[in-house]
Amino acid sequence: QTVVTQEPSLTVSPGGTVTLTCASSTGAVTSGYYPNWFQQKPGQAPRALIYSTSNKHSWTPARFSGSLLGGKAALTLSGVRPEDEADYYCLLYYGGAYVFGTGTKVTVL
Amino acid sequence: QLQLQESGPGLVKPSETLSLTCTVSGGSFSSRSYYWAWIRQPPGKGLEWIGNMYYSGTTYYNPSLKSRVTMSVDTSKNQFSLKLSSVTAADTAVYYCVGENGFFSEQFWGQGALVTVSS
Repeated sequence: QTVVTQEPSLTVSPGGTVTLTCASSTGAVTSGYYPNWFQQKPGQAPRALIYSTSNKHSWTPARFSGSLLGGKAALTLSGVRPEDEADYYCLLYYGGAYVFGTGTKVTVL
Repeated sequence: QLQLQESGPGLVKPSETLSLTCTVSGGSFSSRSYYWAWIRQPPGKGLEWIGNMYYSGTTYYNPSLKSRVTMSVDTSKNQFSLKLSSVTAADTAVYYCVGENGFFSEQFWGQGALVTVSS
């Protein structure tokens, strides 16, 4: 069973920068896994932020960026705002099927 | 811009079959090359991809659920459906239907439907 692992929790100060990562139990994450990133706030449906590693949706704030970093998919939040406090999930593609990451709770403090 | 809406029983008994339908509006359901997916989230837990169906009928299921999942499409009604058999309390979750055009580059989500498994 494939497992996609993210940091359980991260804390960042307002205005700071934080990087979330997404690792696959099968090995290094590449662009062929088409990494997606989602933000979810309490009581809300997930909101898509990034698709295919680094592409932003039209509504994605500029302070969010996606990349590949050290064999993992990564989501970097720069100039963090209080409203960025949320759960973040990555999603990886495995030749037809998808697997969500375990999720990262980002606290802005 | 597609709009998706889940519908179905909010309460299902253990060992029975969970059935949900997603109605798609705001676009041509059968002419576009969309994947129709189901994603769920148990209360207080993370997201789980259940499976998807291409408009041609090809399906991909989560291996951990494959033996219990069936997805189907009814193009005449602009709907796609999920059936999950032999449910237990562990299947209690908010179920989301999603339409996406490949690798989630364009995606549309339903608002989610809470299904509780309890006697």
